[in-house]
Amino acid sequence: GESVGLHLPTLSVQEGDNSIINCAYSNSASDYFIWYKQESGKGPQFIIDIRSNMDKRQGQRVTVLLNKTVKHLSLQIAATQPGDSAVYFCAENMIGGFKTIFGAGTRLFVKA
Amino acid sequence: GAVVSQHPSWVICKSGTSVKIECRSLDFQATTMFWYRQFPKQSLMLMATSNEGSKATYEQGVEKDKFLINHASLTLSTLTVTSAHPEDSSFYICSARHAGQDNSPLHFGNGTRLTVT
Repeated sequence: GESVGLHLPTLSVQEGDNSIINCAYSNSASDYFIWYKQESGKGPQFIIDIRSNMDKRQGQRVTVLLNKTVKHLSLQIAATQPGDSAVYFCAENMIGGFKTIFGAGTRLFVKA
Repeated sequence: GAVVSQHPSWVICKSGTSVKIECRSLDFQATTMFWYRQFPKQSLMLMATSNEGSKATYEQGVEKDKFLINHASLTLSTLTVTSAHPEDSSFYICSARHAGQDNSPLHFGNGTRLTVT
């Protein structure tokens, strides 16, 4: 299930199950969205992105869904593996801008 | 690929001293680099945008005289934390994207863990 920790919410899933990580973004003027994965002590790593003219994009084992009406972004990970354990951040770029602003992260914990 | 190298990976310094962190794009050119700070169990907060050949742009609440940024070439940006204090202890991460590709993913360095004693 999902719980709110001291700072980062945590999602705990069983290995092999699908994971869904949610994000509410802040700016209706944002037109480009990215999901990053951050392992302990490292910089964020790009996972998948989506532009505002799309509502779904699929990658390898990952899918991003965008709902602009409610300013909601989600990341779906299929057949979650122990190596997927990390903190996941959504991020947004505003129209005409080049700054990337990060949302609150979610810690994904995969139980073997 | 697009590799961003950050150095040092960790540093310990005494209060009042200055620390310089380097960020290099190894296989691409970046007219703009971005510096983030991350406290434990929190998200990345954008500190400033480093612009090659011109002044950096700082986010609200970030002291430009404390966090000096220099972007002297298309592959190197440096962040100097001046007169460091314990509250400056944090994880500093730089990032960059290919020149001219604004709406594209950032490539991140592996961060610098700064501890000020």
